[in-house]
Amino acid sequence: GQNIDQPTEMTATEGAIVQINCTYQTSGFNGLFWYQQHAGEAPTFLSYNVLDGLEEKGRFSSFLSRSKGYSYLLLKELQMKDSASYLCAVNTGTASKLTFGTGTRLQVTL
Amino acid sequence: ETGVTQTPRHLVMGMTNKKSLKCEQHLGHNAMYWYKQSAKKPLELMFVYSLEERVENNSVPSRFSPECPNSSHLFLHLHTLQPEDSALYLCASSQDGTSGRASYFGPGTRLTVL
Repeated sequence: GQNIDQPTEMTATEGAIVQINCTYQTSGFNGLFWYQQHAGEAPTFLSYNVLDGLEEKGRFSSFLSRSKGYSYLLLKELQMKDSASYLCAVNTGTASKLTFGTGTRLQVTL
Repeated sequence: ETGVTQTPRHLVMGMTNKKSLKCEQHLGHNAMYWYKQSAKKPLELMFVYSLEERVENNSVPSRFSPECPNSSHLFLHLHTLQPEDSALYLCASSQDGTSGRASYFGPGTRLTVL
């Protein structure tokens, strides 16, 4: 079976740094995606990792360790608009067959 | 219009009704997907179409019937649904349907089955 785990909720302060972890156990692996979803809106693509290491994109970075089945999303200089759910998804097939975690709801406070 | 659009945005239907959800993508992609998002549950992949052929059907009940007439349009036909089918139905598209391509999601249809 497929299993992807993320914390359910996190709270952080505006201007701070927050790390959202994701661990996975899947029957196949062809890359890991992070999506952001604001309440009532569609998920939007943030990052993609297929090789081990860190991918940096502005205030957001994502890390992957395939041997540990582990990824994290790092958000720097938090802003109020970063309050959203962050979804970890693993591509388990040759097509874009994504298996999602339940998502981490991040609340940014003043 | 740009991106992925879905209609209707909200739908309320009885268990004996027949309705259809529509998705259109304006990104030039050739793979399209239906996902179901229920409260407190992960997004679940329902169907995958690549180059207008269905390549994935994740054990979805037959009361959900997808149709992909061309690479820009995707439908989900609904009939004799159950209350537990109430959820947000999201359409997505990607280029080529290969593993490294990000999927772009539409805003979803909020479905309530009475």
